Amino acid sequence: GENVEQHPSTLSVQEGDSAVIKCTYSDSASNYFPWYKQELGKRPQLIIDIRSNVGEKKDQRIAVTLNKTAKHFSLHITETQPEDSAVYFCAASTGGGNKLTFGTGTQLKVEL
Amino acid sequence: DTEVTQTPKHLVMGMTNKKSLKCEQHMGHRAMYWYKQKAKKPPELMFVYSYEKLSINESVPSRFSPECPNSSLLNLHLHALQPEDSALYLCASRGSGQGQETQYFGPGTRLLVL
Repeated sequence: GENVEQHPSTLSVQEGDSAVIKCTYSDSASNYFPWYKQELGKRPQLIIDIRSNVGEKKDQRIAVTLNKTAKHFSLHITETQPEDSAVYFCAASTGGGNKLTFGTGTQLKVEL
Repeated sequence: DTEVTQTPKHLVMGMTNKKSLKCEQHMGHRAMYWYKQKAKKPPELMFVYSYEKLSINESVPSRFSPECPNSSLLNLHLHALQPEDSALYLCASRGSGQGQETQYFGPGTRLLVL
């Protein structure tokens, strides 16, 4: 089955800096890659996703890149703010989102 | 309505109790999910319902029993749970068809088994 590895497990940045979180997946048939943000005690919320026919997608301060050849995808957050502090999970799916395999999560801390 | 709702928010139960968790969505989604999440870990898939039929059971112990009474509702019946079953139980739903890959999560039920 699919296996998703996520790094780093913790990331501490200064406010205004950029943050990058990387994931690799094992199944070359994976075609959908969402990123979820989960604040303490809250539900996971989709922040951005990318499909396998696209190499990059941007939404304001957030971007995701996908390298299908290398089977890895990354989340980029620019101009980080304290409210970006949360756990971020990447995921991959072969069935168009029906069954997600999650990465192990990255605890992002944005310090003032 | 773009939300998935779950009740109760918190639940404490003994190992001999029977209780149920409820999930509801009114987005017309035809796929609904139960996940279990332990602290500092990713959500772990338990069950998937597609068009009100169970399509995936991730080898979950029989003390967890899912039910999908209609396209908007999903229940998880709990019986004879163990303390290690204490976790956050998340429900999610997803539309069907092209471009509807996103799973939307409910706020979860925090379960404590004593």
